[in-house]
Amino acid sequence: DAKTTQPNSMESNEEEPVHLPCNHSTISGTDYIHWYRQLPSQGPEYVIHGLTSNVNNRMASLAIAEDRKSSTLILHRATLRDAAVYYCILLASGSARQLTFGSGTQLTVLP
Amino acid sequence: DTEVTQTPKHLVMGMTNKKSLKCEQHMGHRAMYWYKQKAKKPPELMFVYSYEKLSINESVPSRFSPECPNSSLLNLHLHALQPEDSALYLCASSQGRRAMLGYTFGSGTRLTVV
Repeated sequence: DAKTTQPNSMESNEEEPVHLPCNHSTISGTDYIHWYRQLPSQGPEYVIHGLTSNVNNRMASLAIAEDRKSSTLILHRATLRDAAVYYCILLASGSARQLTFGSGTQLTVLP
Repeated sequence: DTEVTQTPKHLVMGMTNKKSLKCEQHMGHRAMYWYKQKAKKPPELMFVYSYEKLSINESVPSRFSPECPNSSLLNLHLHALQPEDSALYLCASSQGRRAMLGYTFGSGTRLTVV
């Protein structure tokens, strides 16, 4: 399976934008880029996903590099409730797909 | 209903006990998953059910026995566990094999083996 690399931790100030990077240099053409987050004492929560084009939803934006070897999750205005571990995961299409978590980025939001 | 419900939320069991974890979803999802998460570690996949059939077993010891009685329910039967099996057990579901759709996770069962 293609792997992802994320910083172990990041800090952000409340109400400021946050850019969470992810490198996936061995991504294949059929891998989707998924982002999940896990708040303390909860199960992971789907945030956003994309294949080639940038994506926006109510939670975040996903910017995908043109060569697809990296992506960035953008939280437009961080709140204290966004403090969580953020996981960038490659998910292959087809019947053998499964969500495999890496170590993720611990985001701390400072008031 | 857009949730995955796991019961119980907490479970303490002895090493000779038999217990079961339950997971339920009513979103019409046809794939369901069990994950295990140790403290400060990412979730690790244990089992995958697709259309009520076991499709992936990630070399999990036989003291963990999954069961999918119907498309909405997933159980994990536990027997003769060890203290190192103490962890958060997460259930998830997804619509099926289409990669563009996300997984929905439950809040987990926190298991302590004494």
